[in-house]
Amino acid sequence: DIQMTQSPSTLSASVGDRVTITCRASQSVSSWLAWYQQKPGKAPELLIYDASSLRSGVPSRFSGSGSGTEFTLTISSLQPDDFATYYCQQYNSYYTFGQGTKLEIK
Amino acid sequence: EVQLVESGGGLVQPGGSLRLSCAASGFTFSNYDMHWVRQATGKGLEWVSAIAAAGDTYYADSVRGRFTISRENAENSLYLQMNSLRAGDTALYYCVRENSSSSEHFDYWGQGTLVTVSS
Repeated sequence: DIQMTQSPSTLSASVGDRVTITCRASQSVSSWLAWYQQKPGKAPELLIYDASSLRSGVPSRFSGSGSGTEFTLTISSLQPDDFATYYCQQYNSYYTFGQGTKLEIK
Repeated sequence: EVQLVESGGGLVQPGGSLRLSCAASGFTFSNYDMHWVRQATGKGLEWVSAIAAAGDTYYADSVRGRFTISRENAENSLYLQMNSLRAGDTALYYCVRENSSSSEHFDYWGQGTLVTVSS
């Protein structure tokens, strides 16, 4: 089974900050990596797929990069609506999620 | 507009059974692979099961042999039959659509139905 590890588990930041979340896979997943945002009491929503493709309608301040075993999600300038929990997911071999990164207001 | 609406959750005793349903609308259901993903309260996401458009089925090790996924394309419905339920199966269960291209990311999620396994 492929394990996905996100860091950090919690991130405190301010509106306007640039933040980066890292996701590491236990073996190569090529570019088959997605990022989801989840707000309290809501279902996850797709942000990025295939490591770097922005879903239509998602603000351009979100970007993804990486391939193989190391990936990043970057938010270029945090907005109040961005404080949420973020999950990475590999879909190279079945489906595995990272443990999540909670983005908190500093 | 794509909509996925789950139902069938509830309180069940350990060893009991429950059948979850997902009503799909806003897209051609028969063309898409579909999944169930669960989330225990305050925890992360766990993939549970998938069914391809062609009908092939897949399961996480934690539920294989106890859960059965199925679909009824004529009714635009997805199901999850859960038997021999355990306390560890307690979670919010999401119905999820997989993207139709070669990329298998999950593009739409329902709001979930809560399953509680407790005596």
